[in-house]
Amino acid sequence: KAGVTQTPRYLIKTRGQQVTLSCSPISGHRSVSWYQQTPGQGLQFLFEYFSETQRNKGNFPGRFSGRQFSNSRSEMNVSTLELGDSALYLCASSLGPAGGANVLTFGAGSRLTVL
Amino acid sequence: GDSVTQMEGPVTLSEEAFLTINCTYTATGYPSLFWYVQYPGEGLQLLLKATKADDKGSNKGFEATYRKETTSFHLEKGSVQVSDSAVYFCALTPGGNYQLIWGAGTKLIIKP
Repeated sequence: KAGVTQTPRYLIKTRGQQVTLSCSPISGHRSVSWYQQTPGQGLQFLFEYFSETQRNKGNFPGRFSGRQFSNSRSEMNVSTLELGDSALYLCASSLGPAGGANVLTFGAGSRLTVL
Repeated sequence: GDSVTQMEGPVTLSEEAFLTINCTYTATGYPSLFWYVQYPGEGLQLLLKATKADDKGSNKGFEATYRKETTSFHLEKGSVQVSDSAVYFCALTPGGNYQLIWGAGTKLIIKP
């Protein structure tokens, strides 16, 4: 079956712009989690959506937002981009709420460069 | 709070060497423990997991044993290959809360 699909894979933006990233989970998976990965900070949890509801949120400013649709596809948006937002954004899906026995399956990521 | 500590990398080994990547954790309750691997240019993949004390997770020749007495989950492989070069992440899910807590990752470089 198809894995987790993230689009776009690469994108370049300038400071002040906004960006929307998309994630299509594995068919049947209802939870989508988003992570930011940078060389300096490692993997940082952004938020998790389960059945269209935000279930958990990490410690990121309000410029970072997300949503989940009825088909479990998820989008995240970053407004007023800053240089420090340059990162690999990873999406992961799981059958049930992330954690415990529900293993995360990751997409290949969207690499955002902010100039 | 709950945390995961991994040995710093990079770890550089020759092919067929024995591998150990140390991982220790701090958690209340009874966490589940995971090792994920990230190959260059890819997302993370689950390598193995253990959900209770003394469980041994294994996959692709890698093993890790959940040691509650030493709060450790060290990753081992008897004979590494060049294709094992990747970044390895140790993680846990705390009991009662579900989002994973991640270690910083350990880059493994295997030379032919």
